Parts: sequence; structure tokens; C-alpha cells
Amino acid sequence: QITLKESGPTLVKPTQTLTLTCTFSGFSLSTSGVGVGWIRQPPGKALEWLALIYWDDDKRYSPSLKSRLTITKDTSKNQVLLTMTNMDPVDTATYYCAHEENWASDYWGQGTLVTVSS
Amino acid sequence: QSVLTQPPSASGTPGQRVTISCSGSSSNIGSNTVNWYQQLPGTAPKLLIYNNNQRPSGVPDRFSGSKSGTSASLAISGLQSEDEADYYCAAWDDSLNGLWVFGGGTKLTVL
Repeated sequence: QITLKESGPTLVKPTQTLTLTCTFSGFSLSTSGVGVGWIRQPPGKALEWLALIYWDDDKRYSPSLKSRLTITKDTSKNQVLLTMTNMDPVDTATYYCAHEENWASDYWGQGTLVTVSS
Repeated sequence: QSVLTQPPSASGTPGQRVTISCSGSSSNIGSNTVNWYQQLPGTAPKLLIYNNNQRPSGVPDRFSGSKSGTSASLAISGLQSEDEADYYCAAWDDSLNGLWVFGGGTKLTVL
């Protein structure tokens, strides 16, 4: 059974750096073809894809946010980290991580709401 | 502004068949498969259709997907009240080293 759970601060100040952790079980990020991605959703708005890391450490980023994002994995801990620098109130959103395989995000975490406010 | 274009809303009465469209370009839908996600109120998205027209285990066959050229569609037959949700299409885009792109979402109301 595949599960994922996001964790991190619920409130960050403008200009601060956000670090979110996705802790997963039921699969290994060292298995060929497997990836973990991050997607966010501002309140009342659409989904926005952020970043993706594959089993072989290949990384992809949203072009519009690439300069602010870093995605890493710790295979031994079954975790994927997402760092976003220079946070702004427009970055207020629910952040989801998701298991990806066979060109689909087939399992999602419950999401974590991050509010950016001074 | 989302890369994939969906109608913001759709509606139908119980038992009806509704379709939701998703329009893209040659670098995304035109080159790659399309996935559909269902997001019930207050919950995380759930994979509904993958690889254009495949249903994950547990998804009723009332849900079907299709793709033609640079457009895709989600069809829901025998509409039920529990189908009221937001629906998103997604596709891999081959531009700029590759990225996932989403539609802006369609809110389905069951009247």
C-alpha cells in the first residue's frame, strides 16, 4: 500500500525559505521508473506542478519557479524534500507530493497548507 | 493562465452524460498521453484516467477518456451526485527539458 505525507511549517514569513518533506511508504525511490513530484494549489485555484525527482536522481522543475526550487531525495529515509526560496504571499497554497510511475501521479499525499504572511 | 485549456464549469442532472474538454498543443497533448484527476471538495486529487483512456483499479467504468490530436475529453455517463467535483487534465510537455502541465480545472455541478 502506497502512502505519502507532507510535512513542514504551516506559516512562513515573506522572503524566508520553505522546506517541505514528503515521507512515503509502500515503494522505493530506487526502483527504476519511479518518481516523486510536488504540486501546489492556492486556495480556490487550480493545481500547479512544481518539481519532480526520479529514481536515478533526474530532476525537473517548473520553468517559472526553477530559480527558487530545489528537490532532493533521501532514499534511505524514504523522503523527498522540496525547498523554495524567497517566499511571497502569492505562494500561499496547499502543497502536495505524489508518487509517479508510468507517466501518471497515481498516489497523492493529503497535502499541507502553507501560509505566507508577516 | 494554465497551459491546458478546460471549461471552468460543467453541469448535468443525475443519469445524464457529460463531457469535459481539454485543449493543448503539439508539445503536450499532441505528443504525450493525458491524465485526468478528480478532486472532491476538501480532498487531494485522485487519478481518474491515465494514458488517455485507462482507468485505475476501483474507478467506475462510467468514467472514460479519449484523445484526438491536441485535445482530450473526459466523459462521465450515468451522472451521480457524488461526481460533483473539480476535474483536471494533465499532460507531459516536451518543451524546456520536460514538465507536467495542468488544465485550469472544471467544476462539475450535479443539478
